[in-house]
Amino acid sequence: ETGVTQTPRHLVMGMTNKKSLKCEQHLGHNAMYWYKQSAKKPLELMFVYSLEERVENNSVPSRFSPECPNSSHLFLHLHTLQPEDSALYLCASSQDHGSRATKLFFGSGTQLSVL
Amino acid sequence: GEDVEQSLFLSVREGDSSVINCTYTDSSSTYLYWYKQEPGAGLQLLTYIFSNMDMKQDQRLTVLLNKKDKHLSLRIADTQTGDSAIYFCAEEGVNFNKFYFGSGTKLNVKP
Repeated sequence: ETGVTQTPRHLVMGMTNKKSLKCEQHLGHNAMYWYKQSAKKPLELMFVYSLEERVENNSVPSRFSPECPNSSHLFLHLHTLQPEDSALYLCASSQDHGSRATKLFFGSGTQLSVL
Repeated sequence: GEDVEQSLFLSVREGDSSVINCTYTDSSSTYLYWYKQEPGAGLQLLTYIFSNMDMKQDQRLTVLLNKKDKHLSLRIADTQTGDSAIYFCAEEGVNFNKFYFGSGTKLNVKP
């Protein structure tokens, strides 16, 4: 148990669907992240939240919409996705954002398939 | 962004040493990390090294850093089948808020 829980583990959706990914951390951390992992490519940072405020948005298409209602929960709302959005979506947390030696704690990810 | 490069695959026999290599481009990197990802799981931090160090050892793991050549390596001694996983190298920029990951090296340990 890493302390970071993601649901669902697997998700299949059509291009017209709307779905949400959920992440919860039980570590008392102040920063949370969404990463996209595609095969044989570096992890892509999508969003960073620090103390519930978005501090990073790496040119992510608007069909991905993050939400951080409190420091323990992070959502990624999905709508009108494309097949190339199929990937493993990883949530991570860290004690703080922008401090030395940031240790990231990852969830197990949501494997998303867009048909 | 910065480039972090790793070879995609490495295969070793159980009991041998494994050496996973990584090169990066950001000369102002402060910390460099190794993460491990087992099948169906997220990434788990294995170890990290501060950029002014040359070496760090932690049980079976040895990290070597050649800052001049921007080369980082992870040596796993007495590799076990349980070490089979994908290993990611990552660097953290000088502002401590930028992480750059490599594509991962898939380590296959043969019995």
